Amino acid sequence: DAKTTQPPSMDCAEGRAANLPCNHSTISGNEYVYWYRQIHSQGPQYIIHGLKNNETNEMASLIITEDRKSSTLILPHATLRDTAVYYCIVTKYNFNKFYFGSGTKLNVKP
Amino acid sequence: NAGVTQTPKFRVLKTGQSMTLLCAQDMNHEYMYWYRQDPGMGLRLIHYSVGEGTTAKGEVPDGYNVSRLKKQNFLLGLESAAPSQTSVYFCASSDRGGNTEAFFGQGTRLTVV
Repeated sequence: DAKTTQPPSMDCAEGRAANLPCNHSTISGNEYVYWYRQIHSQGPQYIIHGLKNNETNEMASLIITEDRKSSTLILPHATLRDTAVYYCIVTKYNFNKFYFGSGTKLNVKP
Repeated sequence: NAGVTQTPKFRVLKTGQSMTLLCAQDMNHEYMYWYRQDPGMGLRLIHYSVGEGTTAKGEVPDGYNVSRLKKQNFLLGLESAAPSQTSVYFCASSDRGGNTEAFFGQGTRLTVV
């Protein structure tokens, strides 16, 4: 599975968009990009995933570059409840064996 | 719909003791996983299962054993606990194939003294 690189921490003002980057330069053609978050010490929570097209759901948007070597998770209107560690994970299509890195700690401030 | 349930939520063991962590899912998922998370770090995969009766090693399998006798249950065993196994353990499950999400339990906090 491809390795991912994320900044260790980011700050965001409440109500503003939070843009979390992820580099996955060794991604292969059959690997998906997944995003999870972990609030405090709870179990990780699924946010969104995609293969090569941009994706949007009720929680977030996922922008994947054309060469698929990087992606950005966008929380359009961050709230204090979005303060969490966000993990970018790349995994093969035919089996969801998720390997977590260190993630990005997002601090949403009032 | 309970999702993924882990038992127990907290446990303190003495070095050398054994115990079993139970993970149960009610979503009829094929795949199940055990992770550990140490302070300030991401989750690391211990063992996983692609179906009833099958198990496989993940990143950090040493010191642990697993069994998947029933589709809905995935057991993680520590035969002789060590202080290095002090961690938070998370179980997860997902459906067959790609393009699906994994659902996580709320974790078991284990301390080995």
